[in-house]
Order: sequence, then C-alpha cells, then structure tokens
Amino acid sequence: RKEVEQDPGPFNVPEGATVAFNCTYSNSASQSFFWYRQDCRKEPKLLMSVYSSGNEDGRFTAQLNRASQYISLLIRDSKLSDSATYLCVNGGATNKLIFGTGTLLAVQP
Amino acid sequence: DTGVSQDPRHKITKRGQNVTFRCDPISEHNRLYWYRQTLGQGPEFLTYFQNEAQLEKSRLLSDRFSAERPKGSFSTLEIQRTEQGDSAMYLCASSPTTGHYNGYTFGSGTRLTVV
Repeated sequence: RKEVEQDPGPFNVPEGATVAFNCTYSNSASQSFFWYRQDCRKEPKLLMSVYSSGNEDGRFTAQLNRASQYISLLIRDSKLSDSATYLCVNGGATNKLIFGTGTLLAVQP
Repeated sequence: DTGVSQDPRHKITKRGQNVTFRCDPISEHNRLYWYRQTLGQGPEFLTYFQNEAQLEKSRLLSDRFSAERPKGSFSTLEIQRTEQGDSAMYLCASSPTTGHYNGYTFGSGTRLTVV
C-alpha cells in the first residue's frame, strides 16, 4: 500500500463548479499535512497546510481527519487558473515529506 | 536570495555518462532535500541533509547516486553510469529547522534525459 494515495483523475469541471479531492495516508504517526499545487513541467508549490481544525484560504478549504487518516481539499467557484495537479503531502517525525501521485484538475470554460 | 536555485535546468546525456547537478538552497535554510519525479508520479524522496550531515537516504538512491553538501550550503547530486531509467526531473528543496510545519520551498528542478 502506498503511504499517500490519491485519485489521479483527471477531474474535468466547468468554471464556477465546486470540486473536492480526497487523499488517504497510511502512517498514523504523520505529523504534518499539506496540499501542494504543481503546474505542468513546473516545481510543486505549497498551496496550504492542513490542520486538524480545518483551515480555509479564500476559495480553498482543507480538512484533516486523523481517525480515518484522510485529508481533503475543497475548491469553490473554480477558475480556469486552478487547472493544475494537486499533490497531497504528509510528513513524519523525520522531516521527510511524502507526496501522493497527484490529482489532475482541468477547469473548462 | 530569491529562492532555491538549481543548475542546469536541462541535461541530455548519453547512457553510461556521469552527470552532476547543483542546488543552492535559501541561505538561511539548513535543511536540504533531493527528490526525483517521473511523469505521472509525485516527487519521490531521495535524500536529505541538515547542514553538512546527510541524515537519510532512500532505497531509491542506488550506489550510482551520491549527494554531498560539503559546507552546509550548496549541494550536488551525482549520477554515475547513467541509465535510461534515470530520466526524470530532479528537484531540490530546502526548509529551515523550525519551518517543519511550513513545508518546503522547491527549486525549478533539473530535467535529465538519458539517451
């Protein structure tokens, strides 16, 4: 079983739609969780950290469920510019971050 | 200091040749990481340094791969006797010791093509 699992997609959604991605992780000792965004042939960039209490940044909301070991990302009012690969990431005590394979989002006009 | 710098951006090499990549982290970051990413996959951890000490190496890092960070600043990743399977994007990232919960800052990567 992979340490971090994501649906690779693609998720094809119209502009303005709400889309949600889920991710599961296997290491119950994981201490930190993130969503990264990666544009085609570019480096990953931190989108947001994920906290147990949940956190929101504009149109983006991230949730962590430690009991079920999953992380979610909700994007509201999708924009064309949201088209990218979204990487689910978790880190343990060794400071090494483990990345999922990514979920490809394509927002269409 | 504008971020993590990697050089070269692209490298095409013949199978069997040796290649070396360089990474310059953000100057105040004492942790430096190397990852490899192939098409359709997320970045895979290779190794990490805290200052000049290499603290962890992945099983992916075969004996043809070696990484150094001699003065705790820039790092190099060398691949000896390259194989076609080494073709990938090699990403470097850095973070401060106390920035664990802020994730990493990645460089733009070095794209290696072995022909």
